[in-house]
Amino acid sequence: SQQGEEDPQALSIQEGENATMNCSYKTSINNLQWYRQNSGRGLVHLILIRSNEREKHSGRLRVTLDTSKKSSSLLITASRAADTASYFCATSFPLMTSYDKVIFGPGTSLSVIP
Amino acid sequence: NAGVTQTPKFQVLKTGQSMTLQCAQDMNHEYMSWYRQDPGMGLRLIHYSVGAGITDQGEVPNGYNVSRSTTEDFPLRLLSAAPSQTSVYFCASSPGLAGGLYEQYFGPGTRLTVT
Repeated sequence: SQQGEEDPQALSIQEGENATMNCSYKTSINNLQWYRQNSGRGLVHLILIRSNEREKHSGRLRVTLDTSKKSSSLLITASRAADTASYFCATSFPLMTSYDKVIFGPGTSLSVIP
Repeated sequence: NAGVTQTPKFQVLKTGQSMTLQCAQDMNHEYMSWYRQDPGMGLRLIHYSVGAGITDQGEVPNGYNVSRSTTEDFPLRLLSAAPSQTSVYFCASSPGLAGGLYEQYFGPGTRLTVT
């Protein structure tokens, strides 16, 4: 399967702590994206990192990509209760046509305890 | 902008019934897609479209039909509902033809139960 796999499946931390989630994939990708899903809602895009990038920041989010290990990590610093959500990585694979195929992993459920 | 809208929010069907899930976007995006989300499975791509009149199958297309007559609308049709189609369905759109090159904007989802 080309699916990205997040690790851990579930994570529970105290407010103010950092949260780290990992994503591994099996074949070469064009880019990797992270999305957040609050309970009962649609997914919201957080950050996109291209295959030729190693690290990207957005506010309290830091994403790294190691193409040699086929893995990515999402770090949320100084977590807040509002960060409680499921987080998904989505990997983009080139097709024979002009568009990519985007595959989502099963997600990491993050609980931030106030 | 309303973004991506989906109707209905909830639906209960009996086995064998057909229905259409509606999806519309007002961002003039070329790329639209339908996913289903099941517990522990992430999102699986059902069908996608790269422009009006152009659709293609994703990972799990069986039992579903799509068409794209306008840029704005991308309805998903269930031909003969089965309990295995009980799921939450998300529609998404993206500004680029390369679906992974740009972020996808998701609708709020339709929760479908087939009894």
